Amino acid sequence: DAGVIQSPRHEVTEMGQEVTLRCKPISGHNSLFWYRQTMMRGLELLIYFNNNVPIDDSGMPEDRFSAKMPNASFSTLKIQPSEPRDSAVYFCASSPGQHYGYTFGSGTRLTVV
Amino acid sequence: GENVEQHPSTLSVQEGDSAVIKCTYSDSASNYFPWYKQELGKRPQLIIDIRSNVGEKKDQRIAVTLNKTAKHFSLHITETQPEDSAVYFCAASFQAGTALIFGKGTTLSVSS
Repeated sequence: DAGVIQSPRHEVTEMGQEVTLRCKPISGHNSLFWYRQTMMRGLELLIYFNNNVPIDDSGMPEDRFSAKMPNASFSTLKIQPSEPRDSAVYFCASSPGQHYGYTFGSGTRLTVV
Repeated sequence: GENVEQHPSTLSVQEGDSAVIKCTYSDSASNYFPWYKQELGKRPQLIIDIRSNVGEKKDQRIAVTLNKTAKHFSLHITETQPEDSAVYFCAASFQAGTALIFGKGTTLSVSS
């Protein structure tokens, strides 16, 4: 298995632009998670899905952030419009279910200038 | 909201010494406690986990202990080596579900 696949690895964009991050979970994993990592705030849970259904999006910072999971093999995290304070590493992770560890993707390093 | 506190934030040891990292959690319903290691510029990787029906688990030089009454758990690394240098994160499940809340991390430096 190729693991959790995220794209792009790096994204540099100008303030106000739309940014879309993509994730392909491990086949057979029914839980998918989006986290944001910064030095100041550590690993923050943004949103997670079970069986493609969003369960908890209380970590999404504001309405500029949205996430979708149209099928079991694909998810997107969109920021529109982007702001410099959104600069961070965004990780996607998947899990077979409760009481199992996550497998993280390589992350997307987002820089908003 | 739910919270996981991790201490210390940085830890420096000599090669061969032991290292201990401690975490406390707030959700009494938490029942799954994994530890992750993240090397610089890389993804977090699961190194060991423990479930609430177990008090201790070992895997070679790594062990984790859990005290559910006190709501804290610890990572123990024995005979540390330079390649153990990394950031270590504890985590706890919340709402008895699949999502994990992570501690802020401990930067471990092992000098030879």
